[in-house]
Amino acid sequence: DTGVSQNPRHKITKRGQNVTFRCDPISEHNRLYWYRQTLGQGPEFLTYFQNEAQLEKSRLLSDRFSAERPKGSFSTLEIQRTEQGDSAMYLCASSPMGSYEQYFGPGTRLTVT
Amino acid sequence: GDSVTQMEGPVTLSEEAFLTINCTYTATGYPSLFWYVQYPGEGLQLLLKATKADDKGSNKGFEATYRKETTSFHLEKGSVQVSDSAVYFCALPPNAGGTSYGKLTFGQGTILTVHP
Repeated sequence: DTGVSQNPRHKITKRGQNVTFRCDPISEHNRLYWYRQTLGQGPEFLTYFQNEAQLEKSRLLSDRFSAERPKGSFSTLEIQRTEQGDSAMYLCASSPMGSYEQYFGPGTRLTVT
Repeated sequence: GDSVTQMEGPVTLSEEAFLTINCTYTATGYPSLFWYVQYPGEGLQLLLKATKADDKGSNKGFEATYRKETTSFHLEKGSVQVSDSAVYFCALPPNAGGTSYGKLTFGQGTILTVHP
């Protein structure tokens, strides 16, 4: 059973550097979501794709954040000029057509020093 | 807007104790409701769901009943095990009855620790 995968699992970077994370959804799922989770909180929505179209973006997704899903399969989330406040777990989820259920990957933990 | 409120934790129980984690929501209409679980070092997993009022979702000994009168979806288990130690999230999908399949709105999570 191939679930949602995310790479890398951990990333430590220095403030001001750019980072990119990758998410591979479950293959037949056409919807893909990015969330951010900080310690002691529930996941907060960042953005969502249906196939290659980015349909919704949160106010949390500042100009330093960009997400793509160029071929409607895997997605990347890039953070430019990282700040210490960007330290969090970044979660990716996918869902099939017609379902509200979202299947989550293990997350990428980002630490900005 | 939509919101989910969970009981504050952490919750610490002895093995075989009864568990209740409260969840209430605010939303337009009658949405589906979910409980997700996050085990240490892992991503979120869907634990159970209910799609309409009075539905009872169940899985792995956990149950939750969708109560529209009290806008609640409390999670219960009759006898917890050490392996149930995890963080539990109540979640609400968007736009009840609509066609939006966007974000889930999560509660803040409840940390459960079960001791032998």
